[in-house]
Amino acid sequence: DIVMTQSPDSLALSLGERATINCKSSQSILYNSNNKNYLGWYQQKPGQPPKLLIYWASTRESGVPDRFSGSGSGTDFTLTISSLQAEDVAVYYCQQCFGTPTFGRGTKLELK
Amino acid sequence: EVHLVESGGGLVQPGGSLRLSCAASGFPFTTYSMNWLRQAPGRGLEWLSFIDTTSSTIYYADSVKGRFTISRDNGKNSLYLQMSRLRAEDTAVYYCARDLGSTSTYFYDSWGQGTLVTVSS
Repeated sequence: DIVMTQSPDSLALSLGERATINCKSSQSILYNSNNKNYLGWYQQKPGQPPKLLIYWASTRESGVPDRFSGSGSGTDFTLTISSLQAEDVAVYYCQQCFGTPTFGRGTKLELK
Repeated sequence: EVHLVESGGGLVQPGGSLRLSCAASGFPFTTYSMNWLRQAPGRGLEWLSFIDTTSSTIYYADSVKGRFTISRDNGKNSLYLQMSRLRAEDTAVYYCARDLGSTSTYFYDSWGQGTLVTVSS
């Protein structure tokens, strides 16, 4: 299976700061025939199921605020929150679906 | 509004069986592939199984292959997961999740609230 490695494990930032979460896959998840990276990002708040934020590495899901953005290709990906809001406190997971779907271990985002 | 509601979780002894259900509403169930995923307490997410719209394509994670069976009843807008030979490590919150888009993408855009399965003697 493709292993997804996230960094950092946790992150504490102040309101309004920029948050950057990284995700690295153990092999390329770029499908050359359609030039799509099979990478998604999810947000999970305590007691809630995950919520899809980003798919195809950079496509924002409907209704997701534009302060959330995804970038990267091949094996290295980033989720960026441009200006941290209180409601963004959560655990963030990356997921690949190039092969058998697998998730990263999560990055816990907290307020400083 | 998309609504997915899991049921059927509970306490079961090792080696036992359990059947989970997921009732879907608010969208054309027959046109979406569906999945089961789980999350062990304090741990990350694990995809378990996929079923396409007509039940003709089914996939399982190696960890549950041969023990779990996914199925769906489009007439009842329902998804199921039959679990057998349960182990302590199957203890988790089990989620049903809809595949993004009407063609399978293997991203999950709607999730239920989950049902807790505890395997313990």
